[in-house]
Amino acid sequence: AQSVSQHNHHVILSEAASLELGCNYSYGGTVNLFWYVQYPGQHLQLLLKYFSGDPLVKGIKGFEAEFIKSKFSFNLRKPSVQWSDTAEYFCAVIAMNRDDKIIFGKGTRLHILP
Amino acid sequence: NAGVTQTPKFQVLKTGQSMTLQCAQDMNHEYMSWYRQDPGMGLRLIHYSVGAGITDQGEVPNGYNVSRSTTEDFPLRLLSAAPSQTSVYFCASSYAFRGSGYGYTFGSGTRLTVV
Repeated sequence: AQSVSQHNHHVILSEAASLELGCNYSYGGTVNLFWYVQYPGQHLQLLLKYFSGDPLVKGIKGFEAEFIKSKFSFNLRKPSVQWSDTAEYFCAVIAMNRDDKIIFGKGTRLHILP
Repeated sequence: NAGVTQTPKFQVLKTGQSMTLQCAQDMNHEYMSWYRQDPGMGLRLIHYSVGAGITDQGEVPNGYNVSRSTTEDFPLRLLSAAPSQTSVYFCASSYAFRGSGYGYTFGSGTRLTVV
């Protein structure tokens, strides 16, 4: 069965530090890939998505992610984080041409120190 | 406002009680789903629907029922609440079941406590 792994469960950074959150998935076919963000007490919001084309995807709030097919990875990056980026981040995958259900990773809780 | 609307936002139930969590979307989305979110477990799919009259089970369906009589509404019913069902429940919808890169729109969540 398809799975999504987020390697870091809890990340603590200082403001202005660079961020990279790992995401790996297990499916050899075509995928749609997403990163969602959940701010404290709020619902999930789409941060960025990849479904075809340029493997470097730019999202909202200065976030970007790179799809590396050979590594089955879709890591999320931001060059300089802000205190307001404190949130939980979820990677998600849809394996096209399978059952097409979206599979979420277990999330990475990001805490930014002011 | 367009989007996914969930009610109630908070609920406390006694063990054995039943209740329905409501979910409605006004975006004419075909696909709707229910997730539960528990600490360290991420989001787990309970049930989903690919259109009116069609539902199917997700990863953790036991203890829950759903129906989809209209495109707009997708209620989740707890038949006999148990403390293990204490969680935050999210409803989500999407334009197309086959993903197609549209992503999912989530409701604001229902925080349920079963005592």
